[in-house]
Amino acid sequence: DAMVIQNPRYQVTQFGKPVTLSCSQTLNHNVMYWYQQKSSQAPKLLFHYYDKDFNNEADTPDNFQSRRPNTSFCFLDIRSPGLGDAAMYLCATSRDRGFSPQHFGDGTRLSIL
Amino acid sequence: SQELEQSPQSLIVQEGKNLTINCTSSKTLYGLYWYKQKYGEGLIFLMMLQKGGEEKSHEKITAKLDEKKQQSSLHITASQPSHAGIYLCGAGGYNQGGKLIFGQGTELSVKP
Repeated sequence: DAMVIQNPRYQVTQFGKPVTLSCSQTLNHNVMYWYQQKSSQAPKLLFHYYDKDFNNEADTPDNFQSRRPNTSFCFLDIRSPGLGDAAMYLCATSRDRGFSPQHFGDGTRLSIL
Repeated sequence: SQELEQSPQSLIVQEGKNLTINCTSSKTLYGLYWYKQKYGEGLIFLMMLQKGGEEKSHEKITAKLDEKKQQSSLHITASQPSHAGIYLCGAGGYNQGGKLIFGQGTELSVKP
Protein backbone atom coordinates (compact mmCIF):
# COMPACT_ATOMS: atom_id res chain seq x y z
CA ASP A 1 0.00 0.00 0.00
CA ALA A 2 1.17 3.53 -0.75
CA MET A 3 2.15 5.15 2.50
CA VAL A 4 3.76 7.94 4.48
CA ILE A 5 6.35 6.47 6.83
CA GLN A 6 8.00 8.29 9.69
CA ASN A 7 11.06 7.12 11.56
CA PRO A 8 11.60 6.70 14.38
CA ARG A 9 8.20 6.52 16.13
CA TYR A 10 9.80 7.65 19.38
CA GLN A 11 12.92 9.76 19.74
CA VAL A 12 14.62 10.84 22.94
CA THR A 13 17.35 13.45 22.81
CA GLN A 14 19.24 15.64 25.21
CA PHE A 15 18.69 19.35 25.64
CA GLY A 16 20.72 21.11 22.95
CA LYS A 17 21.72 17.94 21.07
CA PRO A 18 20.80 18.06 17.35
CA VAL A 19 18.21 15.58 16.20
CA THR A 20 16.86 14.54 12.79
CA LEU A 21 13.46 13.05 12.07
CA SER A 22 12.74 11.38 8.76
CA CYS A 23 9.75 10.93 6.51
CA SER A 24 9.39 8.89 3.35
CA GLN A 25 6.47 8.46 0.97
CA THR A 26 5.51 6.02 -1.75
CA LEU A 27 2.61 8.17 -3.02
CA ASN A 28 4.85 10.17 -5.39
CA HIS A 29 3.22 13.36 -4.13
CA ASN A 30 4.67 16.76 -4.97
CA VAL A 31 4.13 18.36 -1.58
CA MET A 32 5.54 17.30 1.79
CA TYR A 33 4.65 19.02 5.06
CA TRP A 34 5.96 19.02 8.63
CA TYR A 35 3.58 19.76 11.49
CA GLN A 36 4.24 20.10 15.21
CA GLN A 37 1.53 18.90 17.57
CA LYS A 38 1.78 19.52 21.30
CA SER A 39 -0.31 17.71 23.84
CA SER A 40 -4.05 18.38 23.47
CA GLN A 41 -3.45 20.92 20.71
CA ALA A 42 -4.13 20.99 16.99
CA PRO A 43 -1.26 20.33 14.57
CA LYS A 44 0.65 23.47 13.57
CA LEU A 45 2.40 23.73 10.22
CA LEU A 46 6.15 24.38 10.43
CA PHE A 47 7.01 24.36 6.71
CA HIS A 48 6.40 22.52 3.49
CA TYR A 49 8.14 21.63 0.24
CA TYR A 50 6.40 21.97 -3.09
CA ASP A 51 8.72 19.81 -5.17
CA LYS A 52 12.12 21.39 -4.35
CA ASP A 53 10.66 24.74 -3.36
CA PHE A 54 10.90 25.28 0.42
CA ASN A 55 8.14 27.30 2.13
CA ASN A 56 8.69 28.33 5.73
CA GLU A 57 5.89 29.53 8.01
CA ALA A 58 6.53 33.00 9.39
CA ASP A 59 6.45 31.91 13.02
CA THR A 60 8.60 28.77 12.69
CA PRO A 61 11.71 29.18 14.88
CA ASP A 62 15.11 29.22 13.13
CA ASN A 63 16.01 26.19 15.23
CA PHE A 64 13.91 24.09 12.85
CA GLN A 65 15.27 23.24 9.42
CA SER A 66 14.23 20.84 6.69
CA ARG A 67 15.77 19.00 3.76
CA ARG A 68 14.19 17.22 0.83
CA PRO A 69 16.92 15.41 -1.12
CA ASN A 70 14.45 13.74 -3.50
CA THR A 71 10.71 13.28 -4.08
CA SER A 72 10.41 10.42 -1.62
CA PHE A 73 12.24 11.71 1.44
CA CYS A 74 12.01 14.72 3.71
CA PHE A 75 13.89 15.41 6.94
CA LEU A 76 13.22 17.65 9.91
CA ASP A 77 16.34 18.88 11.69
CA ILE A 78 16.18 20.49 15.11
CA ARG A 79 19.53 22.14 15.66
CA SER A 80 19.43 22.75 19.41
CA PRO A 81 16.30 21.21 20.94
CA GLY A 82 14.82 22.93 23.95
CA LEU A 83 12.33 21.55 26.45
CA GLY A 84 9.57 23.39 24.62
CA ASP A 85 10.25 21.38 21.46
CA ALA A 86 8.98 18.16 23.02
CA ALA A 87 5.99 17.26 20.85
CA MET A 88 4.60 14.92 18.22
CA TYR A 89 6.00 15.73 14.77
CA LEU A 90 3.77 14.80 11.87
CA CYS A 91 4.76 14.49 8.24
CA ALA A 92 2.10 14.76 5.55
CA THR A 93 2.00 14.67 1.76
CA SER A 94 -0.42 15.87 -0.90
CA ARG A 95 -0.54 15.73 -4.67
CA ASP A 96 -0.66 19.52 -4.93
CA ARG A 97 -1.40 22.58 -2.80
CA GLY A 98 -4.98 23.07 -3.89
CA PHE A 99 -7.97 20.90 -3.11
CA SER A 100 -5.90 17.84 -2.45
CA PRO A 101 -6.18 15.91 0.82
CA GLN A 102 -3.09 15.64 2.96
CA HIS A 103 -2.07 12.13 3.98
CA PHE A 104 -0.28 11.81 7.30
CA GLY A 105 2.30 9.46 8.72
CA ASP A 106 1.99 8.02 12.22
CA GLY A 107 4.24 10.72 13.66
CA THR A 108 7.42 10.83 15.73
CA ARG A 109 7.06 11.59 19.41
CA LEU A 110 10.08 13.62 20.52
CA SER A 111 11.13 13.79 24.16
CA ILE A 112 13.84 16.11 25.48
CA LEU A 113 15.88 15.18 28.57
CA SER B 1 -6.27 34.86 9.86
CA GLN B 2 -8.82 32.07 9.65
CA GLU B 3 -9.90 30.30 12.83
CA LEU B 4 -11.92 27.13 13.25
CA GLU B 5 -13.96 26.40 16.33
CA GLN B 6 -15.21 22.89 17.03
CA SER B 7 -18.02 21.89 19.35
CA PRO B 8 -18.32 20.07 21.55
CA GLN B 9 -14.74 19.75 22.83
CA SER B 10 -15.48 16.27 24.11
CA LEU B 11 -18.32 13.82 23.82
CA ILE B 12 -19.19 10.56 25.54
CA VAL B 13 -21.93 8.49 23.92
CA GLN B 14 -23.40 5.06 24.42
CA GLU B 15 -22.68 2.55 21.67
CA GLY B 16 -25.41 2.64 19.06
CA LYS B 17 -26.27 6.31 19.57
CA ASN B 18 -25.99 8.99 16.90
CA LEU B 19 -23.85 12.07 17.35
CA THR B 20 -22.90 15.31 15.62
CA ILE B 21 -19.71 17.36 15.75
CA ASN B 22 -19.69 20.93 14.45
CA CYS B 23 -16.96 23.07 12.95
CA THR B 24 -17.45 26.82 12.49
CA SER B 25 -15.08 29.01 10.52
CA SER B 26 -14.37 32.72 10.99
CA LYS B 27 -14.05 33.06 7.20
CA THR B 28 -15.47 31.42 4.09
CA LEU B 29 -14.30 27.86 3.66
CA TYR B 30 -12.79 26.98 0.29
CA GLY B 31 -11.89 23.47 1.30
CA LEU B 32 -12.94 21.71 4.49
CA TYR B 33 -11.30 18.48 5.58
CA TRP B 34 -12.27 16.06 8.32
CA TYR B 35 -9.64 13.90 9.99
CA LYS B 36 -9.64 11.35 12.78
CA GLN B 37 -6.72 10.90 15.15
CA LYS B 38 -6.20 8.11 17.64
CA TYR B 39 -4.10 8.96 20.68
CA GLY B 40 -0.40 9.02 19.84
CA GLU B 41 -0.93 8.38 16.15
CA GLY B 42 -1.18 10.30 12.91
CA LEU B 43 -4.26 11.76 11.27
CA ILE B 44 -6.52 9.65 9.08
CA PHE B 45 -8.24 11.48 6.24
CA LEU B 46 -12.02 11.03 6.31
CA MET B 47 -13.61 13.44 3.83
CA MET B 48 -13.13 16.67 1.90
CA LEU B 49 -15.90 19.19 1.12
CA GLN B 50 -15.65 22.14 -1.25
CA LYS B 51 -19.05 23.27 -2.48
CA GLY B 52 -21.77 24.98 -0.48
CA GLY B 53 -24.45 22.46 0.44
CA GLU B 54 -22.18 19.51 -0.30
CA GLU B 55 -22.70 16.30 1.62
CA LYS B 56 -20.53 13.17 1.61
CA SER B 57 -20.90 9.85 3.36
CA HIS B 58 -18.58 6.98 4.07
CA GLU B 59 -19.89 3.98 5.96
CA LYS B 60 -21.68 5.47 8.98
CA ILE B 61 -20.10 8.93 8.82
CA THR B 62 -21.70 11.86 6.98
CA ALA B 63 -20.13 15.28 6.55
CA LYS B 64 -21.92 18.41 5.35
CA LEU B 65 -20.86 21.90 4.39
CA ASP B 66 -23.50 24.61 4.73
CA GLU B 67 -24.60 26.79 1.82
CA LYS B 68 -22.70 29.81 3.13
CA LYS B 69 -19.54 27.70 3.46
CA GLN B 70 -18.80 28.76 7.01
CA GLN B 71 -19.95 25.74 8.94
CA SER B 72 -19.52 22.00 8.62
CA SER B 73 -20.92 19.10 10.58
CA LEU B 74 -19.84 15.51 10.99
CA HIS B 75 -22.56 13.03 11.87
CA ILE B 76 -21.98 9.47 13.03
CA THR B 77 -24.89 7.06 12.93
CA ALA B 78 -25.10 4.11 15.31
CA SER B 79 -21.73 4.78 16.93
CA GLN B 80 -19.32 1.94 17.68
CA PRO B 81 -16.24 1.74 19.93
CA SER B 82 -14.11 1.87 16.76
CA HIS B 83 -15.35 5.43 16.19
CA ALA B 84 -13.60 6.64 19.36
CA GLY B 85 -10.82 9.15 18.83
CA ILE B 86 -10.21 12.82 18.19
CA TYR B 87 -11.97 14.39 15.21
CA LEU B 88 -10.34 17.41 13.64
CA CYS B 89 -11.67 19.74 10.99
CA GLY B 90 -9.15 21.53 8.80
CA ALA B 91 -9.49 24.45 6.39
CA GLY B 92 -7.37 24.63 3.28
CA GLY B 93 -7.35 25.39 -0.41
CA TYR B 94 -5.57 27.39 -3.05
CA ASN B 95 -5.91 30.59 -1.03
CA GLN B 96 -4.10 28.92 1.87
CA GLY B 97 -1.14 27.86 -0.26
CA GLY B 98 -1.51 24.27 0.84
CA LYS B 99 -1.60 25.09 4.54
CA LEU B 100 -4.20 23.35 6.67
CA ILE B 101 -5.53 25.26 9.65
CA PHE B 102 -7.11 22.93 12.20
CA GLY B 103 -9.80 23.27 14.80
CA GLN B 104 -8.88 22.25 18.33
CA GLY B 105 -10.47 18.83 17.94
CA THR B 106 -13.39 16.93 19.46
CA GLU B 107 -12.58 13.93 21.61
CA LEU B 108 -15.14 11.17 21.19
CA SER B 109 -15.55 8.26 23.59
CA VAL B 110 -18.02 5.46 22.86
CA LYS B 111 -19.15 3.35 25.81
CA PRO B 112 -19.86 -0.31 24.98
